Formats: sequence, structure tokens, C-alpha cells
Amino acid sequence: QLVLTQSPSASASLGASVKLTCTLSSGHRGYSIAWHQQQPEKGPRYLMKLNSDGSHSKGDGIPDRFSGSTSGAERYLTISSLQSEDEADYYCQTWGTLVVFGGGTKLTVL
Amino acid sequence: QVQLVESGGGVVQPGGSLRLSCAASGFNFSTYGLHWVRQAPGKGLEWVAVVAYDTSYKYYADSVMGRFTISRDNSKKTVYLQMNSLRVEDSGVYYCVKDRESPAAGTWVLGYWGQGTLVTVSS
Repeated sequence: QLVLTQSPSASASLGASVKLTCTLSSGHRGYSIAWHQQQPEKGPRYLMKLNSDGSHSKGDGIPDRFSGSTSGAERYLTISSLQSEDEADYYCQTWGTLVVFGGGTKLTVL
Repeated sequence: QVQLVESGGGVVQPGGSLRLSCAASGFNFSTYGLHWVRQAPGKGLEWVAVVAYDTSYKYYADSVMGRFTISRDNSKKTVYLQMNSLRVEDSGVYYCVKDRESPAAGTWVLGYWGQGTLVTVSS
């Protein structure tokens, strides 16, 4: 069964970097995913598609501070030079026979 | 630019029905798949349904199968979600979402989101 696992929370200091993780279930390590950001009281926004080889394609207007990388079944979202507006929920999403979302990671910027 | 504007949300009693609409602009509507995704209060995102650009397929989450119907009218650039036999647990914000990539890519990358419409199922 295709499942995406995310840590419920993460925190990092203003100006620092943070790496969020999305883990694909066993047997699905070759899958691509997408990362989405949801700021407080707003709708989600597409950040990027991340392929198994680490290549990624970002959405319109997504800053260079946001990048993606891959290692095995892990898909990462790295945010550098953290800003206050980066405090948000981050969801990974993939697809097989249906669309699947991870549970989301709530990022706190200290 | 891509715009997706949902409407039709509201308060309905358990067992009732509601029809959501999503009006699209800024892209060639008839060449992209469209999804509905929902979010219960304080919870994460839950995918609900997808309709192909040409309605050749429609798929649903198990939680709504047999109760919800997704459809689209390419002439009106609008996608719909007919929701019947509503339950309290169907409450939440419903988002209309456009595929980022063309059907030829064979992917479901949810690339553009609407602002959502709130559905409340309560007696």
C-alpha cells in the first residue's frame, strides 16, 4: 500500500535552514512526489515536484530558498534562510492508483 | 494566470446533499485533469476525487465512493462535486485543484489550488 510518512512537527531558527522529510512506503521508493505549503488560514500552494533522481520542478514564484533532494525512499524539502512567512504546514503528495497525501509537518520558525 | 474559484458550500443536515462548483480560468480547461481535495477542521489534506480532462475516467476516495460524484462541463470551464448522503465527518474546506502536468505525462501533480469552500454538516 502506497503511504507517505512525515514527522508531525519541526522547528528551526529565523535565518537558519531546515530539512523536512517525506518517506515512501516499502516498494515505492522510485515514486515522484510533490511538496505543498499551507500557511496559516490560507489554502495550500504547490512548491515543487521531486523525482526519484533528485531532479525537481518548482512552481511559479517559489524562491530559490526552497529546494528538494532524494535519498532512497526519502524525499526532502530544504528551506534555507528561514523567514517568518515560512512558518506553515508542509505536505507531501504522490499518486498511484489514487492520490495520496502525507500527514503533514508543522514547521515553527523560532 | 490560473484561477480556480469554488462555490456552493454551506450548512447542511446529515443525510442531505450539496453541489460544489469550481469555475476555472487562465488555462486551457479542456486539457487538464481536475481534483477535489478536502480538509477537516484542524486536520490534514484528504484527496476526494479526480476527473480526467475528457471525463474518460473518474476516481474516488473510499470514504466518499458511492455518495459523491465528480463531473465537469468543458464548455463552461467548470468542475462539480455532487455530494449526497452527507455525514458529519464530511465537514471541512473543499478545494478544487488542477493537475500541473498534461495528461500525456501520466501524473497527478496537484499544481494549482483554489481558495476553498466550507462545508458544514450538522444537525
